[in-house]
Amino acid sequence: AQSVTQPDIHITVSEGASLELRCNYSYGATPYLFWYVQSPGQGLQLLLKYFSGDTLVQGIKGFEAEFKRSQSSFNLRKPSVHWSDAAEYFCAVGAFEGGSEKLVFGKGTKLTVNP
Amino acid sequence: DAGVTQSPTHLIKTRGQQVTLRCSPKSGHDTVSWYQQALGQGPQFIFQYYEEEERQRGNFPDRFSGHQFPNYSSELNVNALLLGDSALYLCASSTILGETQYFGPGTRLLVL
Repeated sequence: AQSVTQPDIHITVSEGASLELRCNYSYGATPYLFWYVQSPGQGLQLLLKYFSGDTLVQGIKGFEAEFKRSQSSFNLRKPSVHWSDAAEYFCAVGAFEGGSEKLVFGKGTKLTVNP
Repeated sequence: DAGVTQSPTHLIKTRGQQVTLRCSPKSGHDTVSWYQQALGQGPQFIFQYYEEEERQRGNFPDRFSGHQFPNYSSELNVNALLLGDSALYLCASSTILGETQYFGPGTRLLVL
């Protein structure tokens, strides 16, 4: 069965510091991978996605992620964090069954940004 | 271009009651998926609708049912509410051939 693991429940960084959020997935075929961000009380906003091709993908708000098939990982990075990046981040894998796709999410990583 | 919209934003019900949540997909999208997000958890897939039929279903009991209308909007119905049904219910839309799902703001349901 498909699964996503986000090992870090909570991460705290200082504003201006670099950030890396970890994501490991389990999926039998070539995965479609996503990172979403959720601000308190809000829905999910798509940050970036990987389907195929270049393993380093760029997203919105200065985020990027790198797909590493050998490590079954899709870690999210940002070189310099802003206070507005404080939110919860979810990694997801797209699982195809019967010709349609469902998303399987990790449990999320909460990011706190210190001034 | 309007994104995915959901109504109501908040809802309070008591155990045993029934609830209906509504979702309008993003313009150009024909597929609607529903997810349940319990507090402190990631979203869990409930089911997906396309062409007014349920295409896939997650591990949720039959108390959870849905419907899709000809204009692609969708409803999620939950019968015989339990305390454990308290959660944020998220609707996502896509095209049936598309891989990316776009989410609405969610409906927060509290069951007392």
